Amino acid sequence: GDSVTQTEGLVTLTEGLPVMLNCTYQTIYSNPFLFWYVQHLNESPRLLLKSFTDNKRTEHQGFHATLHKSSSSFHLQKSSAQLSDSALYYCALSQNNYAQGLTFGLGTRVSVFP
Amino acid sequence: NSKVIQTPRYLVKGQGQKAKMRCIPEKGHPVVFWYQQNKNNEFKFLINFQNQEVLQQIDMTEKRFSAECPSNSPCSLEIQSSEAGDSALYLCASSLDYEQYFGPGTRLTVL
Repeated sequence: GDSVTQTEGLVTLTEGLPVMLNCTYQTIYSNPFLFWYVQHLNESPRLLLKSFTDNKRTEHQGFHATLHKSSSSFHLQKSSAQLSDSALYYCALSQNNYAQGLTFGLGTRVSVFP
Repeated sequence: NSKVIQTPRYLVKGQGQKAKMRCIPEKGHPVVFWYQQNKNNEFKFLINFQNQEVLQQIDMTEKRFSAECPSNSPCSLEIQSSEAGDSALYLCASSLDYEQYFGPGTRLTVL
């Protein structure tokens, strides 16, 4: 079945520094949809970014990611982390079917310090 | 902001008891999903519906879990006989296209 791998369980960094969260995936489908969700403490997951277009950068709220089908990757980046970015970040995969349940990675906890 | 409504927010049950939680999807969203997020924050897809019909469900939900999404009524997820391992956050999501919007969840604690 489908799988999503997030290699970092915890990322700690100082405010103002860049952050990159890794996401790779495995699927037999040639046109997967990739998502980044962010979950702040005691809140539900909120969609941050999505993409299904190969090699096209997508941006939202200062974060960006590019889907690379050649390497099955969808890494999340931000040039300057803020204290409010402290949260859990999940990479998720869906087959090319809007009614398909998401396959989530295990998540990366980001802690930003002053 | 998501407009998915879930009730109750917290649910405490003893082992063997039934646990029922409800979800009202965003208006106009035909697809509803249920996920379980465990204490390690791992997500597991449970079941989904489109216009009241089950699309997919994992094996777990076929045994002790039951769910429905009747027209003009909230969707529901019920655990027939709760076990300690069912303690988790149960998240309902709805979608119109490829974006899923999550509700606040029902946190189930099985004592």
